[in-house]
Amino acid sequence: GAGVSQTPSNKVTEKGKYVELRCDPISGHTALYWYRQSLGQGPEFLIYFQGTGAADDSGLPNDRFFAVRPEGSVSTLKIQRTERGDSAVYLCASSLTGTVNYGYTFGSGTRLTVV
Amino acid sequence: AQRVTQPEKLLSVFKGAPVELKCNYSYSGSPELFWYVQYSRQRLQLLLRHISRESIKGFTADLNKGETSFHLKKPFAQEEDSAMYYCALVRNQGGKLIFGQGTELSVKP
Repeated sequence: GAGVSQTPSNKVTEKGKYVELRCDPISGHTALYWYRQSLGQGPEFLIYFQGTGAADDSGLPNDRFFAVRPEGSVSTLKIQRTERGDSAVYLCASSLTGTVNYGYTFGSGTRLTVV
Repeated sequence: AQRVTQPEKLLSVFKGAPVELKCNYSYSGSPELFWYVQYSRQRLQLLLRHISRESIKGFTADLNKGETSFHLKKPFAQEEDSAMYYCALVRNQGGKLIFGQGTELSVKP
């Protein structure tokens, strides 16, 4: 695609429910990143994929968070037993080779609200 | 630990005035630093990176290792510069970006 696509753009869920957030990177980009941005804060790193494998998942806050990228393209961020503190904008980005010097291309984000 | 600090949450200037958005970092090695910008209702996008020593939309940023700073400057602000600006660093080329909290720049007519 022309850009990084994230769906849904907005998601409201009840506390305790399970949610999936999808990211469709730019075609051919091997590196994919997930970030979380809480209100008034900068983006906070969650996980980085190079191809199908997670190269760095040090930012995942706890075991309720999990992400996959089974075919090296689309990625899904999965959150179990959601809590109100999970409310944030979840950003996805991709880059051609994982060389961040050329900058990422970010998606528009998914705004998650846990009520 | 690596950290990026942007001390100003909001910076308000008049059109034509000089602008300096401050960014300080803590990192023990040689960092690679970036400025990202987010205009209203748009995606976060790369503005400039220190390794290329470029000027984008009239903005420049110089890495000062002695002061561990990477301030963003523009001599004459324009109304269309109003946006959120984020300073970020990366530890290695393939790794994560560490962002500051952001500074909202408001340029008044």
